[in-house]
Amino acid sequence: DTEVTQTPKHLVMGMTNKKSLKCEQHMGHRAMYWYKQKAKKPPELMFVYSYEKLSINESVPSRFSPECPNSSLLNLHLHALQPEDSALYLCASSQATSGGGTQYFGPGTRLLVL
Amino acid sequence: QKEVEQNSGPLSVPEGAIASLNCTYSDRGSQSFFWYRQYSGKSPELIMFIYSNGDKEDGRFTAQLNKASQYVSLLIRDSQPSDSATYLCAVIINAGNMLTFGGGTRLMVKP
Repeated sequence: DTEVTQTPKHLVMGMTNKKSLKCEQHMGHRAMYWYKQKAKKPPELMFVYSYEKLSINESVPSRFSPECPNSSLLNLHLHALQPEDSALYLCASSQATSGGGTQYFGPGTRLLVL
Repeated sequence: QKEVEQNSGPLSVPEGAIASLNCTYSDRGSQSFFWYRQYSGKSPELIMFIYSNGDKEDGRFTAQLNKASQYVSLLIRDSQPSDSATYLCAVIINAGNMLTFGGGTRLMVKP
């Protein structure tokens, strides 16, 4: 089973709202990722967690705050977003934390910021 | 120069033909290579991965890797309209675990 789940599927929020995106995997993977994808563009890496610790932050604005409560869960807390943050947010996981492990993507959360 | 490059397409092929998708990469330290398929509005779905030079076949899909020439390709035999999607080439450079994506090639298979 290579399933990564994400909730919610769709989210509409105002610029003053606080919301959270959730991601879960039960494959025993030790690395988890957040990506942002705009229309007709490839996914852009935002954060990487290895063994529940943040290992990579690709200079993401502080209005995005990741959290990894345990090895199966990954959250992305959103606060004071801008309309240009509207995008598809993808979570992924991989067994390996280095050396080229295959990443499996969840279905994504489509976010619209008004 | 972009690290991973793909022709954006669209690549149009008739149903039943072979679709050939190409990808070049700039870093000779690249070790792992992936092809993802992404339907409009959906998330990327892993199609193939390849680590060694040569061909790797899985059903109608064949991935080809040539490290000397720094390209990786995906062949889809007996193309079906359901294969119409954007195909993303992704590379992991050195010993890291960060995927670097190409811009994607849009494939259209016409009945």
